Amino acid sequence: DAGVTQSPTHLIKTRGQQVTLRCSPKSGHDTVSWYQQALGQGPQFIFQYYEEEERQRGNFPDRFSGHQFPNYSSELNVNALLLGDSALYLCASSLGRGDQPQHFGDGTRLSIL
Amino acid sequence: SNSVKQTGQITVSEGASVTMNCTYTSTGYPTLFWYVEYPSKPLQLLQRETMENSKNFGGGNIKDKNSPIVKYSVQVSDSAVYYCRSLWECSGAGSYQLTFGKGTKLSVIP
Repeated sequence: DAGVTQSPTHLIKTRGQQVTLRCSPKSGHDTVSWYQQALGQGPQFIFQYYEEEERQRGNFPDRFSGHQFPNYSSELNVNALLLGDSALYLCASSLGRGDQPQHFGDGTRLSIL
Repeated sequence: SNSVKQTGQITVSEGASVTMNCTYTSTGYPTLFWYVEYPSKPLQLLQRETMENSKNFGGGNIKDKNSPIVKYSVQVSDSAVYYCRSLWECSGAGSYQLTFGKGTKLSVIP
């Protein structure tokens, strides 16, 4: 049973560029959430997708956008990258929204030069 | 706004019991999740606590604004970062807020 898979594992970009991160949820899950985790900090909630729509959003600017596909996989897009966007980006999937347990992927390490 | 606070770091000897707190500030009672992050491993769910089952885990009571997790007879392999994550239902249908604490780094020494 495949768990949550994320790609790529690592990514290096420069300021001003755009990046797309990808996530495949655990088999049977229909909801995908994205988190940003800075070094030494807890994950911060970016947004959550369900039925191909953004349902919840944390305190992140519009530079952060996403998409969910009919097969429940998801993408996180970040435009106009800033040095402060350097972090580990985590994808979590769950069956349904709300207070359902989430299963996490290994994350994508994004470094901005 | 709602927030979650955790103790930064705890060091104990093998075989000891340890309590890790999750203190939250809110006007209501959230659903709380505990996750553990072992080195080079993804976050793993440990437990879920609500008002209904709050007396079943950790000896704490979610009404007290603190929902600790207790580990008994810890081993070196329990060394990890333990995160508390809360979910608050907001006004408005289906709206909620998700917040992670900064985590408690547990170090177990032989």
